[in-house]
Amino acid sequence: EAGVAQSPRYKIIEKRQSVAFWCNPISGHATLYWYQQILGQGPKLLIQFQNNGVVDDSQLPKDRFSAERLKGVDSTLKIQPAKLEDSAVYLCASSLVPSGGAADTQYFGPGTRLTVL
Amino acid sequence: AQKVTQAQTEISVVEKEDVTLDCVYETRDTTYYLFWYKQPPSGELVFLIRRNSFDEQNEISGRYSWNFQKSTSSFNFTITASQVVDSAVYFCALSGPGANNLFFGTGTRLTVIP
Repeated sequence: EAGVAQSPRYKIIEKRQSVAFWCNPISGHATLYWYQQILGQGPKLLIQFQNNGVVDDSQLPKDRFSAERLKGVDSTLKIQPAKLEDSAVYLCASSLVPSGGAADTQYFGPGTRLTVL
Repeated sequence: AQKVTQAQTEISVVEKEDVTLDCVYETRDTTYYLFWYKQPPSGELVFLIRRNSFDEQNEISGRYSWNFQKSTSSFNFTITASQVVDSAVYFCALSGPGANNLFFGTGTRLTVIP
């Protein structure tokens, strides 16, 4: 079974530029998550989707970050405009059980390492 | 509020030594879930174990074992006879009931020296 796919793996941009990350979850997984992992810290949830609806985006800086999951499969996370403090690894994860049930195991992709200069 | 503390920032051991990674958590939920993930240099978080709050049985999987103690709010992870391939950052995480938001600790970087 294929794991969570993410692209690109690395991205370097100047501050104030825009960037987008793509995630393809494990087939059949209803729930998709985006996490931000700053160097030396644990991942922090940005947004959680169940199918194509948003479950939790309370930690998403909505003035510059946006995310969508059209058709309930792939997802895109965008930053516009980027700031220096956005330099981090952006991790996508997916889980089988929709939120509302018992917490299910999240499986993570390889992440996208973003450097903002 | 959910909180996970991994007090050990970095640990170095010589190959074949045993090592224990500590995890202490805080939660007001009576039902919750605890996880351990491994993050090797490649960056991907690899799932190791999931344990719910009603199951305090310790678990062993090969060289890995986990000690869950609700009385001390701890969920410690032991690697027996460590190997170089165990070198990674290990994260402990906590999730509440019906909510899949994982709260991660700051991780423990384990280096196994050959």
